[in-house]
Amino acid sequence: GQQLNQSPQSMFIQEGEDVSMNCTSSSIFNTWLWYKQDPGEGPVLLIALYKAGELTSNGRLTAQFGITRKDSFLNISASIPSDVGIYFCAGHGSGNTGKLIFGQGTTLQVKP
Amino acid sequence: DTEVTQTPKHLVMGMTNKKSLKCEQHMGHRAMYWYKQKAKKPPELMFVYSYEKLSINESVPSRFSPECPNSSLLNLHLHALQPEDSALYLCASSQEFVFSGNTIYFGEGSWLTVV
Repeated sequence: GQQLNQSPQSMFIQEGEDVSMNCTSSSIFNTWLWYKQDPGEGPVLLIALYKAGELTSNGRLTAQFGITRKDSFLNISASIPSDVGIYFCAGHGSGNTGKLIFGQGTTLQVKP
Repeated sequence: DTEVTQTPKHLVMGMTNKKSLKCEQHMGHRAMYWYKQKAKKPPELMFVYSYEKLSINESVPSRFSPECPNSSLLNLHLHALQPEDSALYLCASSQEFVFSGNTIYFGEGSWLTVV
């Protein structure tokens, strides 16, 4: 089946630094969704991408739907302590199925 | 309003108990989902309801029994669970199911501990 490779697996950064994480697949995806999950909570949608090449921002977050439709990245600028959490990429693969495929997650820790 | 509400937040149950998890959304979404999530792992799909009918059962053991009483409500009935079933159970919803461009919204989850 279709899989997503998310990297890095974890990051430990200083407050104020910029962060970048990405997801890649060997097959085409039709949508890309980025979620953040705090401990003990459900995933919260950060950004949704629907078209190849689309670049979308949400405050300090920016995400792009890769032009090949096989990758996406998420950037966080000027990180703050509340950015701590696990970030998941997810997407709908080709075949017009509603099943969401998840990456393995990127754990972000921010040192004040 | 993109809210999916789950109750209870925490549940501890014995292996012989019967309990239920409940989920509610008022966004007019016609697809609702149950996911299971273990610590630091991505959510795993269990069931999908589309227009109140079960569309997908990801080979989930029969000790988990889903129910969709109406388009806003989704239940997960639990019976004779095992300790390895302890996890965060997430409900989610989206506008449609068979449509790859739709966005899935998650609830806060129900923490289940089986003792």
